[in-house]
Amino acid sequence: GIQVEQSPPDLILQEGANSTLRCNFSDSVNNLQWFHQNPWGQLINLFYIPSGTKQNGRLSATTVATERYSLLYISSSQTTDSGVYFCAVDDGQNFVFGPGTRLSVLP
Amino acid sequence: KAGVTQTPRYLIKTRGQQVTLSCSPISGHRSVSWYQQTPGQGLQFLFEYFSETQRNKGNFPGRFSGRQFSNSRSEMNVSTLELGDSALYLCASSSMPGGEQYFGPGTRLTVT
Repeated sequence: GIQVEQSPPDLILQEGANSTLRCNFSDSVNNLQWFHQNPWGQLINLFYIPSGTKQNGRLSATTVATERYSLLYISSSQTTDSGVYFCAVDDGQNFVFGPGTRLSVLP
Repeated sequence: KAGVTQTPRYLIKTRGQQVTLSCSPISGHRSVSWYQQTPGQGLQFLFEYFSETQRNKGNFPGRFSGRQFSNSRSEMNVSTLELGDSALYLCASSSMPGGEQYFGPGTRLTVT
């Protein structure tokens, strides 16, 4: 089956810093989503982005499907950005999740 | 529009018992997927239902089963609970298979 990798596994930032999270996948995909899991376990939709670039406030994402990767950019990070960020890809059968990047933003 | 709801939110069961979890999707969504999240295995796909039919099933034993009703609400059942079934069970709904998924708050199951 399809393999999904995320890097880095852990990231610690000072408030106000910028960061880039990466998601690599081993085969072509139909769709890709980015999620933020808050400390209470709720998965929050960030982007539904099978290809191209999207922006939402301080967050933006780019997926290059032909090269099998997606990037999530977080600018001017805030403490509320802390949590785990997952990418999930649709391989035509179901969504496969990566292992996540744990982000800690320090005040 | 109301989001995805899951009941109960927390559950404690004993080994050998069975449990039923419920998921109500966003109004108009006909696809419901279930996932198990554990610290060791991460988020793993359990199964997906679309229009009352199981579309796909993940690599889980037959003790894990589910169904979907005509109103798109879904239930999953785990029989003969084991300690390793302790996990956060997440439900997601989408308008169609492969569509953008929206997750519920999850049911945290503890098996003692």
